[in-house]
Amino acid sequence: GQQVMQIPQYQHVQEGEDFTTYCNSSTTLSNIQWYKQRPGGHPVFLIQLVKSGDVKKQKRLTFQFGEAKKNSSLHITATQTTDVGTYFCAGETGANNLFFGTGTRLTVIP
Amino acid sequence: DAGITQSPRHKVTETGTPVTLRCHQTENHRYMYWYRQDPGHGLRLIHYSYGVKDTDKGEVSDGYSVSRSKTEDFLLTLESATSSQTSVYFCASRGGDSATQYFGPGTRLLVL
Repeated sequence: GQQVMQIPQYQHVQEGEDFTTYCNSSTTLSNIQWYKQRPGGHPVFLIQLVKSGDVKKQKRLTFQFGEAKKNSSLHITATQTTDVGTYFCAGETGANNLFFGTGTRLTVIP
Repeated sequence: DAGITQSPRHKVTETGTPVTLRCHQTENHRYMYWYRQDPGHGLRLIHYSYGVKDTDKGEVSDGYSVSRSKTEDFLLTLESATSSQTSVYFCASRGGDSATQYFGPGTRLLVL
């Protein structure tokens, strides 16, 4: 069945360091979405990537969608304590359902 | 965030009892979803709905049923709760023209 793998599972960084999480799908995706979940909170939509090779930026966050539409990454430049949380990718195959990755829990050490 | 609420927010129940969780949205969204979140598994889809009385199974539907009699409400029922159903349950909704799913605050369910 459809699987979306995400690595790493955990990441601890010093404040100011960069952070990257990677997502890989076993099948070609129609689009990929990224969500952030703060500790004790609920997932909140960050962005959707649709086109092959897409690169989008939101301030210090850079999102990429691979050429084959099977992988994606989220890169945070110069992390801040407000970046703490779990980042999920979620791939859609066109059937209106999202398959979520297992998430990367980011800890930022002040 | 969209107006999406879940009730109850916390529940403790015993094995073998029925449990119903409610999701309510005020955005007139067509699609609604129930997920469970467990450590190491991320979010897994239980059931979803693509309209009133239109529902379908997700990845982990065994032991769960759903109903959607109104656009705004999506109910998740555990017919006979088991300890393996201890989890955090999230409801989500989205409009027909958008891929964005808006999540509710979650329900923490403990089955003893």
